[in-house]
Formats: sequence, C-alpha cells, structure tokens
Amino acid sequence: DTGVSQDPRHKITKRGQNVTFRCDPISEHNRLYWYRQTLGQGPEFLTYFQNEAQLEKSRLLSDRFSAERPKGSFSTLEIQRTEQGDSAMYLCASSRRSEGDTQYFGPGTRLTVL
Amino acid sequence: AQSVTQLGSHVSVSEGALVLLRCNYSSSVPPYLFWYVQYPNQGLQLLLKYTSAATLVKGINGFEAEFKKSETSFHLTKPSAHMSDAAEYFCAVTEGFGNEKLTFGTGTRLTIIP
Repeated sequence: DTGVSQDPRHKITKRGQNVTFRCDPISEHNRLYWYRQTLGQGPEFLTYFQNEAQLEKSRLLSDRFSAERPKGSFSTLEIQRTEQGDSAMYLCASSRRSEGDTQYFGPGTRLTVL
Repeated sequence: AQSVTQLGSHVSVSEGALVLLRCNYSSSVPPYLFWYVQYPNQGLQLLLKYTSAATLVKGINGFEAEFKKSETSFHLTKPSAHMSDAAEYFCAVTEGFGNEKLTFGTGTRLTIIP
C-alpha cells in the first residue's frame, strides 16, 4: 500500500494561467475524491469519481474547473484562467466502494495564484 | 443537509493533561463520523471512525471518541497529551447510503504546553 500521491506538491502561477494537478489513488480503490482547503478552514468537497464516472460535482466547482479520471486510475484536476481566490490546498482522497469506508488522503497540492 | 460544528478553534493543554476536542453534527440520517488529524503541510490522516457499531471508538495514538446520538456529539479525547499531538484536528461526517462525500468541521488547532 503506497498511499495516495499528488503531483506537484506546490504550484505558483500567475493569474489567468491554466494549471493541472494529478492524483494517483491507492491501487485497489475505485472511488476518488477532490477537496479544496483554504487557510483556517476544513476541506470542502469538490467532486468524486467511481471508476471513470464522475458522480457528483459541488457548486464550488465553477466552469473553470474540470476533473477527469480517464481509465479509472489516476485523476487530473484542471483550473483554467486561475484567479487569486483559487489559492488553496487541493486534496485528493481515495476509498473502496463500500459504505462508510475510509477515505485516505494524499499530501495535497498547494496552489498560489499571484 | 449535514453539517459539523467544532467548538473551539484553538485548544491548549499541558503535556500529560486530558485532551478534549468537541464535535457536534447534524444529519438527517444516522451518520458515519470520522476524526482526522493534519500536521503542517501534510494531508489528513484518519484517527478513528464510527460506523454504527460500538459507540465508543478507539483510534490510533491513544485517541478515542464516543458517539452520543441524544447529544448529536462525537467528542475526541485522549487521557494524557503528548507533545507530538500538536496538530489540527478535523471532525467529519458522511451520510453513507451512496452519499460518501465528507463534510468537515472548521478544525481545532491543538497546542501542547510543555
């Protein structure tokens, strides 16, 4: 069990640029979640996948955000035309498909938009 | 809609003293409840979870929590604080039944006084 990995760990970009983050879940987990955490707050749900299907998206996920999980393995989260308000920690988690199962979190990608 | 309230954004205890971190939830259905810990610049690590089995749940690092339905609470305790317990602690709830996204509280920062 190698855990959930995320890349990059830190990203600094200028306003208006596009950024893409990658998440590799634990290998036998077929559910993958994205959360966003701003300073001093708890993580907020963005979206989740079961295998390659995106099953739910939060209202926080504006049109500038898109997430994919093309083969049901790794996932990418893209933010287009970044804004300063997008600065946050983006956390990925994975779990098996069973009720109440534990979500295991990766180390996160910290995005800073200048 | 479910929500989580963590009373006390900052808690300080002396080394060796009792740790008590408070969490109250609101949920329209019997919930699954979790406590996660976050160390600086890291992702979240599961401490313990309640999934409708025993109401007293034991977790890692000597932590435990008791589910009290009548009080809608799931407070986290540890009999004797250690310096390594200094971190941010998050309570979270998920309704299960196909709705697996976690709803987090705003967190409690625990400081240990030597």
